[in-house]
Amino acid sequence: GEDVEQSLFLSVREGDSSVINCTYTDSSSTYLYWYKQEPGAGLQLLTYIFSNMDMKQDQRLTVLLNKKDKHLSLRIADTQTGDSAIYFCAEYDGGATNKLIFGTGTLLAVQP
Amino acid sequence: DVKVTQSSRYLVKRTGEKVFLECVQDMDHENMFWYRQDPGLGLRLIYFSYDVKMKEKGDIPEGYSVSREKKERFSLILESASTNQTSMYLCASSGVGGGRGNGYTFGSGTRLTVV
Repeated sequence: GEDVEQSLFLSVREGDSSVINCTYTDSSSTYLYWYKQEPGAGLQLLTYIFSNMDMKQDQRLTVLLNKKDKHLSLRIADTQTGDSAIYFCAEYDGGATNKLIFGTGTLLAVQP
Repeated sequence: DVKVTQSSRYLVKRTGEKVFLECVQDMDHENMFWYRQDPGLGLRLIYFSYDVKMKEKGDIPEGYSVSREKKERFSLILESASTNQTSMYLCASSGVGGGRGNGYTFGSGTRLTVV
């Protein structure tokens, strides 16, 4: 079945770049997403990438997609303490389930 | 600003009580979802609905039921609350095709404690 995997924890210093990685299994995924969840809140869509793209940049965020390896990454430049949160990647499985499949989330801790 | 609104941020209920969690969206979305979130387990899908009066079981439906009488409202029901249902509950909605570039829109969550 579908599976989306992420590492559980990442710690960086303020001002450094953060790279959060995700692997997925469904090669037919059309959309892939990154969500951010701040403490005690719901998930907020940060960005998405369509499967015919390799890279997407949006201000401090850069998404890289390697379809051959089914690998997705989110790079946050100049990481700030306000970026501390849980980050979820998700793939849209338009075939079997017609739903988003979420990873387990990566907790990003930004040290001042 | 489009919204998914969950009726309560925090709830405390007693074991055996019937509990209703309400979710309303104002985006005319076809699809609505209920998840629970527990530390280390990520998001687990309880139930979802593709249309009014339709419902489908997710990965962990046991102990829960849902109701969707109107397009904008999706209710999660705990028939007899138990302590192992203490969790954060998240409602989400989307347009067709998983929402495409918009993905799912989530509510702020309801932190339920069963004592």
